[in-house]
Amino acid sequence: DAGVIQSPRHEVTEMGQEVTLRCKPISGHNSLFWYRQTMMRGLELLIYFNNNVPIDDSGMPEDRFSAKMPNASFSTLKIQPSEPRDSAVYFCASSRERQGAEFNQPQHFGDGTRLSIL
Amino acid sequence: AQTVTQSQPEMSVQEAETVTLSCTYDTSESDYYLFWYKQPPSRQMILVIRQEAYKQQNATENRFSVNFQKAAKSFSLKISDSQLGDAAMYFCAYRSAFGGSNYKLTFGKGTLLTVNP
Repeated sequence: DAGVIQSPRHEVTEMGQEVTLRCKPISGHNSLFWYRQTMMRGLELLIYFNNNVPIDDSGMPEDRFSAKMPNASFSTLKIQPSEPRDSAVYFCASSRERQGAEFNQPQHFGDGTRLSIL
Repeated sequence: AQTVTQSQPEMSVQEAETVTLSCTYDTSESDYYLFWYKQPPSRQMILVIRQEAYKQQNATENRFSVNFQKAAKSFSLKISDSQLGDAAMYFCAYRSAFGGSNYKLTFGKGTLLTVNP
């Protein structure tokens, strides 16, 4: 079975440019998560989608960040304009669950995108 | 809010030996799940083992086992017969079992494990 697929694996761009990170969740999973990993703050949840609907975006740092999930098999995380402090590894994860129900599925992570903003 | 603490930033072990990684957490909930994830240099986050809080029996996955002490809010990971491929960053994580925010994983800061040949 294919796991969570993220692209690109690495991204280097200059400050002020728009950055788009992509994620394809595992087929059949209805929940999708975007995380950011930095040395200072560790792993932080940015946004959570359930059945393509954003449920919790309280972790999105500021308006420069936006995420979409137009269908069950694709999501994007966009940063516009990008800043050097956005440099981090961004993970996408997916799982199969019902919101509010007893959890029974672990989250499966993609390989992450290492983003460097110069 | 729940917190997860990994007090050992780094650990090392000799190949074939046993090592234990510590994790403590703080919660007022009675039902929850705990996880250990492994992140090798390849960066992939790999689920190693999970424990349901309502189960008294400690989870085991091959060479990996946990010591879950609910009253003490402790969840340590034991790696037996350590192999070079076990070298990685290990993250402890907490997740509520119920409630509107039970999708959230709260991670510790990680423990970097080195395996010496």
